[in-house]
Amino acid sequence: DVKVTQSSRYLVKRTGEKVFLECVQDMDHENMFWYRQDPGLGLRLIYFSYDVKMKEKGDIPEGYSVSREKKERFSLILESASTNQTSMYLCASSLFGLAHRSTDTQYFGPGTRLTVL
Amino acid sequence: QKEVEQNSGPLSVPEGAIASLNCTYSDRGSQSFFWYRQYSGKSPELIMSIYSNGDKEDGRFTAQLNKASQYVSLLIRDSQPSDSATYLCAVNPRETSGSRLTFGEGTQLTVNP
Repeated sequence: DVKVTQSSRYLVKRTGEKVFLECVQDMDHENMFWYRQDPGLGLRLIYFSYDVKMKEKGDIPEGYSVSREKKERFSLILESASTNQTSMYLCASSLFGLAHRSTDTQYFGPGTRLTVL
Repeated sequence: QKEVEQNSGPLSVPEGAIASLNCTYSDRGSQSFFWYRQYSGKSPELIMSIYSNGDKEDGRFTAQLNKASQYVSLLIRDSQPSDSATYLCAVNPRETSGSRLTFGEGTQLTVNP
């Protein structure tokens, strides 16, 4: 079974703080993704990575950065948290890298509900 | 026009009925289509994937794809209260790299005992 874990289920931070969200997968997957999910807006892609040290912007990268130093770990960084970043953050991984495998399936972690006060 | 559109619902059906969930997409070249189920407070889990026109069945679930009409649906037969969840349609658009997906906003399904 694919296992994707996230460092925290719930997190409360203050405006202006630097926030790190960690995601780890144990299935040697090439791709990793960070989404946020908000009512009425659905799942929106923030960043994804198809290899170690490689990253691509998703649909809403502003205010976020990412780091992938090891294949199994993908970090999302909020440089200076703001109240509009209060959301559910979901990490996902999938097996294949940049080679276009449209049949590839994404597996999700449990999510981190972040509240910025 | 949104890339992937779903009726937001809520959709309510009685136990034992067939629930029909619909999704349309804008990119005619899209290749792969996925249905995820998400229980309240939980993360999405894959139910079905479909890549070719026609029907694909897995237990009580049937996915239907019509690429000419840019339409994909999910039928749930003999609906159970445990099927109550939000169902997300996801599409792999042609022009993106790797396995990037575009998600619809989801349809909330309630199955009444």
